[in-house]
Amino acid sequence: EAAVTQSPRNKVAVTGGKVTLSCNQTNNHNNMYWYRQDTGHGLRLIHYSYGAGSTEKGDIPDGYKASRPSQENFSLILELATPSQTSVYFCASGDRGSNERLFFGHGTKLSVL
Amino acid sequence: GDQVEQSPSALSLHEGTGSALRCNFTTTMRAVQWFRKNSRGSLINLFYLASGTKENGRLKSAFDSKERYSTLHIRDAQLEDSGTYFCAAEDVSNYNVLYFGSGTKLTVEP
Repeated sequence: EAAVTQSPRNKVAVTGGKVTLSCNQTNNHNNMYWYRQDTGHGLRLIHYSYGAGSTEKGDIPDGYKASRPSQENFSLILELATPSQTSVYFCASGDRGSNERLFFGHGTKLSVL
Repeated sequence: GDQVEQSPSALSLHEGTGSALRCNFTTTMRAVQWFRKNSRGSLINLFYLASGTKENGRLKSAFDSKERYSTLHIRDAQLEDSGTYFCAAEDVSNYNVLYFGSGTKLTVEP
């Protein structure tokens, strides 16, 4: 069974601090994604990657960076966290192709105080 | 995740026909969302249901928390309906926790 693991599961950060959310997949998938889930907005795409060394901007990239150092790992980085970035973040992996299926992690709940 | 089983994993329809996607849950869920993924990876929200049914154009969704399932019906399928569809369910005790189905690849053929 495909596995996507996010860490940490919960995080409390201070405004202006740096936050790194990690995602690891054992599916050998090329594509990886970061989304945030907010009431009334559904799941919004922040950054995505086509493979190691690749990062692409999604629909709401401002305030976030991403890093894909390897096939397995995809990180989301908040250099200067703000309270508006308080949310639940989901990572997903998928094969190539427009009709790919995605496999999601269990989410990271981030609170920025 | 293990809490959601989505079926079928792939579906092929001829234009004008219809079918249903289904998500079964291993535990009681508070609400369900249905999404469609575009080519870039954006997830377009189709429905959010806490109970009952909702309809939007040729799409109709139902959610039964007690029976632990949700469905997405597509009627009069069109070529542009092709894509990948996902369900995501909210944990009954913590709406911040979402459990995802792994998706259904829908291909609509002429």
